[in-house]
Amino acid sequence: DGGITQSPKYLFRKEGQNVTLSCEQNLNHDAMYWYRQDPGQGLRLIYYSQIVNDFQKGDIAEGYSVSREKKESFPLTVTSAQKNPTAFYLCASSIFGDANNSPLHFGNGTRLTVT
Amino acid sequence: DQQVKQNSPSLSVQEGRISILNCDYTNSMFDYFLWYKKYPAEGPTFLISISSIKDKNEDGRFTVFLNKSAKHLSLHIVPSQPGDSAVYFCAAFISNFGNEKLTFGTGTRLTIIP
Repeated sequence: DGGITQSPKYLFRKEGQNVTLSCEQNLNHDAMYWYRQDPGQGLRLIYYSQIVNDFQKGDIAEGYSVSREKKESFPLTVTSAQKNPTAFYLCASSIFGDANNSPLHFGNGTRLTVT
Repeated sequence: DQQVKQNSPSLSVQEGRISILNCDYTNSMFDYFLWYKKYPAEGPTFLISISSIKDKNEDGRFTVFLNKSAKHLSLHIVPSQPGDSAVYFCAAFISNFGNEKLTFGTGTRLTIIP
């Protein structure tokens, strides 16, 4: 059964600590994305990657880092430099990069709480 | 600057009636629009899309209408069912650009009352 797996579902961290959110897909999709959802706001793009070993900043990349060493995996690190890290984080993938023919498939998200 | 706006944060509709969710956009370059549905603690799932060369697209109980001159689109759900209770996001982009250019609205929480 293909899909996107995000782990863990809930994550709690102390302020000042880096934390890495996992995202794995077995859909054989080329492109992967990280979004952040905050109450009353739309989904905002953090980082995306269209091919292995390449990734680009989205609209709100500051305080985050990613890697794309394998096609299936796109982990997101929330660093201590991120001023408001508490949020719901969504990972997504698509067959290709173009949105016309390739809607995003989302994971079930990780809720990160930093205190 | 919110280029895609969903001005109603929430909507309640009686089961069996029509649900109409609205979305406005400001960027006239947008020419492809999508609706995603999201249940609590889950990721959004793609629902329906429409290209600007059309003004209507139907898929079962779901119909999306596009009014380009008003820069407005709406999602109609008929008849509404309890399982339709979710948050609905509209999204827009300029065709042939990548998904990274997808702009999401803030979402409307639809509650279907049995």
